[in-house]
Amino acid sequence: ETGVTQTPRHLVMGMTNKKSLKCEQHLGHNAMYWYKQSAKKPLELMFVYNFKEQTENNSVPSRFSPECPNSSHLFLHLHTLQPEDSALYLCASSPSVPSANEQYFGPGTRLTVT
Amino acid sequence: AQSVAQPEDQVNVAEGNPLTVKCTYSVSGNPYLFWYVQYPNRGLQFLLKYITGDNLVKGSYGFEAEFNKSQTSFHLKKPSALVSDSALYFCAVRGIQTGANNLFFGTGTRLTVIP
Repeated sequence: ETGVTQTPRHLVMGMTNKKSLKCEQHLGHNAMYWYKQSAKKPLELMFVYNFKEQTENNSVPSRFSPECPNSSHLFLHLHTLQPEDSALYLCASSPSVPSANEQYFGPGTRLTVT
Repeated sequence: AQSVAQPEDQVNVAEGNPLTVKCTYSVSGNPYLFWYVQYPNRGLQFLLKYITGDNLVKGSYGFEAEFNKSQTSFHLKKPSALVSDSALYFCAVRGIQTGANNLFFGTGTRLTVIP
């Protein structure tokens, strides 16, 4: 596999729930990313962390809250989501930013908001 | 503004025939260009990239792509398609001059290789 793991793989939550997505990379990278993948739309970059510091927040609603305790772990905390937030959430890592290096993606968490 | 266009949502090709998946881009200055593949229920896997140098880039699984600056294109190609190549393919671009590491992805092209 790619060296990036994500848990859980599937998540169903109500609009009033609070849940967290977890990502871990075993590649020694210093940059980590959250993307949202919806059908028929380009991947949407949500957040970027470089050496544990957030460097990008692409106008993501506050109901999504990222956390990066160290360079190997990345979390996405979810609360009071909307049905339109249902999507595949992908985590990725790369050696650092900015960079010409490719990103390595995890398998994603399929999120369904009911 | 940076963007990527993949004009075909779906490409069908017979097994053994050559395949092409099209990508055009818009970026200020010189680009970094990438192709990724996504199999069902999996994340994106890196196939190949163009940074500088030869316009023809070779990557994993026999895929290659040609950078054409005048046409701002980076089409993905393979001389002989396999059924196992059936997947969703994404082109992505990043401008060299930008400070952030934002990769701009296309909407994806679903490739179906017919036995």
